[in-house]
Formats: sequence, structure tokens, C-alpha cells
Amino acid sequence: EPEVTQTPSHQVTQMGQEVILRCVPISNHLYFYWYRQILGQKVEFLVSFYNNEISEKSEIFDDQFSVERPDGSNFTLKIRSTKLEDSAMYFCASSEAPVSGYTFGSGTRLTVV
Amino acid sequence: QQQVKQSPQSLIVQKGGISIINCAYENTAFDYFPWYQQFPGKGPALLIAIRPDVSEKKEGRFTISFNKSAKQFSLHIMDSQPGDSATYFCAASSNSGNTPLVFGKGTRLSVIA
Repeated sequence: EPEVTQTPSHQVTQMGQEVILRCVPISNHLYFYWYRQILGQKVEFLVSFYNNEISEKSEIFDDQFSVERPDGSNFTLKIRSTKLEDSAMYFCASSEAPVSGYTFGSGTRLTVV
Repeated sequence: QQQVKQSPQSLIVQKGGISIINCAYENTAFDYFPWYQQFPGKGPALLIAIRPDVSEKKEGRFTISFNKSAKQFSLHIMDSQPGDSATYFCAASSNSGNTPLVFGKGTRLSVIA
């Protein structure tokens, strides 16, 4: 069964450093998303991406965050200057069409120290 | 308005019993209601979804009941098994699923033998 692949599975970074989280969505999917889950809490929407541009973003997705689809397969989330409160599990998801449901990756656990 | 309220936070059910998880929403524009299942260390996986034109949808042991007037929907797991032990999230979106999913806070289900 096709999967959404996320790397790395765990990233530890110092406060103020830049991190890039990587995702390879399912190949025929057109819609891409980043969500995050702070430990034990709900899954929160960050950003959606379609046709090479951001279609929606949440209040969490401020100027410190950016997304990119640098080639035909990767979808990245960059956090420019990490803060302690950015520590969370970050999930990438993709869908063929939103109504068909999302496929989530296994996540990247980001720890900011 | 954008919230989806989920209860209970945790649930313990005997093997063979019925697990019931409830969600409520305020935004009447929501028209797509999926449930996701998440095992530890994994991303959420789509379990079953319903649209407001039907009051119930069943897939195997999993049933969604939907009450449009009360703005509530629930997940029933019949004949619960230890392998069903996971965190369950309800979610909602509008515009036939074209707006990003809003998730509830999750219910941690434990099925004990």
C-alpha cells in the first residue's frame, strides 16, 4: 500500500536553529498538508499546499514557517528559528482529492532544547 | 466555531464490548466527518467517514452515527478487540472536505481481555 514517508523520524535541535522536515507524499496525490501534535494533545493544522502554492494556513503558521516542493517528489517544512514551544510531532499528509481522505506519514518528532 | 469537541478523553472497554466515542461541533458548514485511528509512533489513519446526507454508516465492526440537528456524531466499535486499543480522533471539514480537517482532542481506547 502506498505510504507517505517522513524523514527524519526524530530531530533534536538547539533553540534558534533552523530545521527542515522532509516528506515524500504518495506519487499521484495533489494535495499536501502539514499538521503537528504536541505530546498528548490534538492534531493541529499548520498548512495546506496545492498546485505549488499555499492554499490555507493556520495562525500557528507564522513567518518562522515555510513550505516548499523543491522537486516532483519532496514536500518540506522549514522552521527558521526554532523555539522551545515548537517541540512536537510533525505529520505530513497527502490526498488525491480532499474528499478521499488524507494519508498521514509516521511523523517527525522535533525536540527543541 | 472551528472546534470539534470529543469525549471521553479515555475509555476502557472489556473485550467483546461496545466502545462509543462522541463528538460535537458548532460550525454548520461542516459537511465531512472522518474518524482517524492512531497507534503509538504512527500517524493517524483514516478509519471511516460520513457525510450529513446519511444518519449512519457501517464498515465491519465500525459504525458512525450522525445527528445533524444535534450537531453530533459518534463512533461505535462493536465486539471491541485488544487490537483496537489506540487513540481515536474525530475530525470535520467543510466544502465537501476541501477545507483542512479540524481534529478533536482524541480518545485513548484500551480494550482489556
